[in-house]
Amino acid sequence: AQSVAQPEDQVNVAEGNPLTVKCTYSVSGNPYLFWYVQYPNRGLQFLLKYITGDNLVKGSYGFEAEFNKSQTSFHLKKPSALVSDSALYFCAVRVNNAGNMLTFGGGTRLMVKP
Amino acid sequence: GAGVSQSPSNKVTEKGKDVELRCDPISGHTALYWYRQSLGQGLEFLIYFQGNSAPDKSGLPSDRFSAERTGGSVSTLTIQRTQQEDSAVYLCASSLAGRNTEAFFGQGTRLTVV
Repeated sequence: AQSVAQPEDQVNVAEGNPLTVKCTYSVSGNPYLFWYVQYPNRGLQFLLKYITGDNLVKGSYGFEAEFNKSQTSFHLKKPSALVSDSALYFCAVRVNNAGNMLTFGGGTRLMVKP
Repeated sequence: GAGVSQSPSNKVTEKGKDVELRCDPISGHTALYWYRQSLGQGLEFLIYFQGNSAPDKSGLPSDRFSAERTGGSVSTLTIQRTQQEDSAVYLCASSLAGRNTEAFFGQGTRLTVV
């Protein structure tokens, strides 16, 4: 079975500081990893994905994520946080030998304070 | 339309009534997912359709829940004899068939059972 863990329910960061939202996964097979963001009262929006190749993936709104196979992690990062980045962030995984099931983590609320 | 469309956006129903929630996926997307999200929390997988294959119903919480996908396009999620614990936001997503493709989400249907 595949699973995703987001160990922090909430991350607080000051505007202008770097941010990290953590994600670890457990799969049997090669993972395809995704990050989504959800603003209040909105659906989920795709941010970025790791499929293969370069471990550092760049996505929308200045976000990036680093795939680390040995640590089974895919942490989301941004060099300088904005107040408008405050939202709920979800990590998700598919496995290349387990159908098309998309499994989500529990979500992490990011609060960026001015 | 350009995105995933869900209707209604809000639904208030009395306990014990049946409800139908509709999802129009992006044209050409063969994969369709239903998730449930309670109070801005994590996503609970409900059901997954892929082309003409038998749907993965492993996430349906009880036999009161069912879903159909007609003609490989529009999907309807039906909840019979609604209970208060069914109150949540029901999210639909669609994607292309490949495992490395991202899913696109609708805005959700907020269901309130009174």
